[in-house]
Amino acid sequence: AQSVSQHNHHVILSEAASLELGCNYSYGGTVNLFWYVQYPGQHLQLLLKYFSGDPLVKGIKGFEAEFIKSKFSFNLRKPSVQWSDTAEYFCAVRNFGNEKLTFGTGTRLTIIP
Amino acid sequence: KAGVTQTPRYLIKTRGQQVTLSCSPISGHRSVSWYQQTPGQGLQFLFEYFSETQRNKGNFPGRFSGRQFSNSRSEMNVSTLELGDSALYLCASSLARANEQFFGPGTRLTVL
Repeated sequence: AQSVSQHNHHVILSEAASLELGCNYSYGGTVNLFWYVQYPGQHLQLLLKYFSGDPLVKGIKGFEAEFIKSKFSFNLRKPSVQWSDTAEYFCAVRNFGNEKLTFGTGTRLTIIP
Repeated sequence: KAGVTQTPRYLIKTRGQQVTLSCSPISGHRSVSWYQQTPGQGLQFLFEYFSETQRNKGNFPGRFSGRQFSNSRSEMNVSTLELGDSALYLCASSLARANEQFFGPGTRLTVL
């Protein structure tokens, strides 16, 4: 069965710092990869997705993620964070041919002004 | 375009009761998936419906069931509620299977 690991449970950064959140998955077949964000009091929103093609994908609000197949990883990055990026971030993986999303446990990001 | 809507937003029930939650997908979306979110277990897949048929089911007991109507709206039902069923229940819709899923605000169920 697919499993997803997000090793950083809580990350605290100052504004303008660079961000990288780790995501690793276990199943080595063809996968679709997603990052979702949950701002305080709001519902899950899709930040970006990878289905195929260029392993470096760009999403909304200046976020990007890189799919490294050999490392089973899909890390999320942002060069300069803002206070408004304070939220919980979830990595999700879907095995090809299966609609089920398997989520990581989430990373809580706190940005200090 | 309106997003995924879920009703009710909050629900309080007692042990042993049953509950029905409703989800209206984004207009034109035909696939609906349900997830349970708890602090301890995180986000866990319940089931997925497409064309009124359950296509996939997670590891939940038979007390959890669902259905999808011809207009793609979906309901999930939990019978004989237990304290551990207290959670945020999320519905997600996608245009078709294998597309990205868009989530609703959830129904927060509290079982007393």
